[in-house]
Amino acid sequence: QKEVEQNSGPLSVPEGAIASLNCTYSDRGSQSFFWYRQYSGKSPELIMFIYSNGDKEDGRFTAQLNKASQYVSLLIRDSQPSDSATYLCAVKRGYQKVTFGTGTKLQVIP
Amino acid sequence: DAGVTQSPTHLIKTRGQQVTLRCSPISGHKSVSWYQQVLGQGPQFIFQYYEKEERGRGNFPDRFSARQFPNYSSELNVNALLLGDSALYLCASSFSGGQGYEQYFGPGTRLTVT
Repeated sequence: QKEVEQNSGPLSVPEGAIASLNCTYSDRGSQSFFWYRQYSGKSPELIMFIYSNGDKEDGRFTAQLNKASQYVSLLIRDSQPSDSATYLCAVKRGYQKVTFGTGTKLQVIP
Repeated sequence: DAGVTQSPTHLIKTRGQQVTLRCSPISGHKSVSWYQQVLGQGPQFIFQYYEKEERGRGNFPDRFSARQFPNYSSELNVNALLLGDSALYLCASSFSGGQGYEQYFGPGTRLTVT
């Protein structure tokens, strides 16, 4: 079982729709959860982080965390073509390393 | 404020050579981590340094080494390069290495080994 699992996609959504990206993790002790956006050929850019169960909203982005189900998701409202990228889920436990998933490729169709 | 900086941007080396990559963290950040990312994969953890001490090491051979300097900048060294070392090498900084502190990535160094 992979430590952090994501569907590789591509996930295709029409412009203006809600994109839903999902991630599961295996370490129940994970405490910090991050979503990074990575454009082709570029480095990852932090877009959301969440530490407590529930929802966290920032602009068009909402991160959702359910520790009991070991599940974290990212919702992107009013998706734009500029949101087309690979989205990386990452988890961390205490002072231990950050572990990344392989990423989900999102395509927003104009 | 300046973000994480890395140098060089691109590098081409031949098998067996050695390479040194450099990273300067965001001002005030004391922790630096190094990652290797190959095409189609997420970043793989190589090292974490906090306050100039190694705090974690990933599953990489001893050919990989790193250090952190008093100004919190860091170097990653790779000896006896193999073709498989070709990748994007990412440096990330955070205020602390612990819980509750998010990491920010630099632009990366693209290493090609021929």
